[in-house]
Amino acid sequence: DAKTTQPPSMDCAEGRAANLPCNHSTISGNEYVYWYRQIHSQGPQYIIHGLKNNETNEMASLIITEDRKSSTLILPHATLRDTAVYYCIARNSGNTPLVFGKGTRLSVIA
Amino acid sequence: DGGITQSPKYLFRKEGQNVTLSCEQNLNHDAMYWYRQDPGQGLRLIYYSQIVNDFQKGDIAEGYSVSREKKESFPLTVTSAQKNPTAFYLCASKASASSYNEQFFGPGTRLTVL
Repeated sequence: DAKTTQPPSMDCAEGRAANLPCNHSTISGNEYVYWYRQIHSQGPQYIIHGLKNNETNEMASLIITEDRKSSTLILPHATLRDTAVYYCIARNSGNTPLVFGKGTRLSVIA
Repeated sequence: DGGITQSPKYLFRKEGQNVTLSCEQNLNHDAMYWYRQDPGQGLRLIYYSQIVNDFQKGDIAEGYSVSREKKESFPLTVTSAQKNPTAFYLCASKASASSYNEQFFGPGTRLTVL
């Protein structure tokens, strides 16, 4: 699985869009990009995943660059409840368990 | 309500004692996973099971043991051989081991060894 790199922390004003970057420059053609988040002292929660096309669901949008070397998770209107650690994961096989790095700690500020 | 349950939420044990953490799912998922999380760190994989009666070691299996006798249950035993057992333990499951579907996580058990 490709290594991912994320900034350790970010702040976002409440009501604004939160854009969380992830670098995965060694990603291979069959590796999916997954995003999870973990609110303090809870289990991680799935957000979204994609291969090469941009994806959107009720929680967020995932923008993957054309060369697939980086991606951005967008929370369109951040709320205080979005304060969490966000993990970006690249996985090349459905059989492979998810490997979590340290993620990005997003603080949404009122 | 479908989901993954872990009990108890907080667990205290004396050093040298084995302890078993419970993980149950009613999602009819084939694959189940155990992770450990230390403060300020990401999750590290302990053991995983792709199907009943089968399991594989993850990155930090030493000092832990598991069983998978039933599809819905994947208990983790923290043995006295685990040098640093105090941590937050998370169980997860996935519909099938080979799918690209998401993993669902339980609420976690915080183990403190005194």
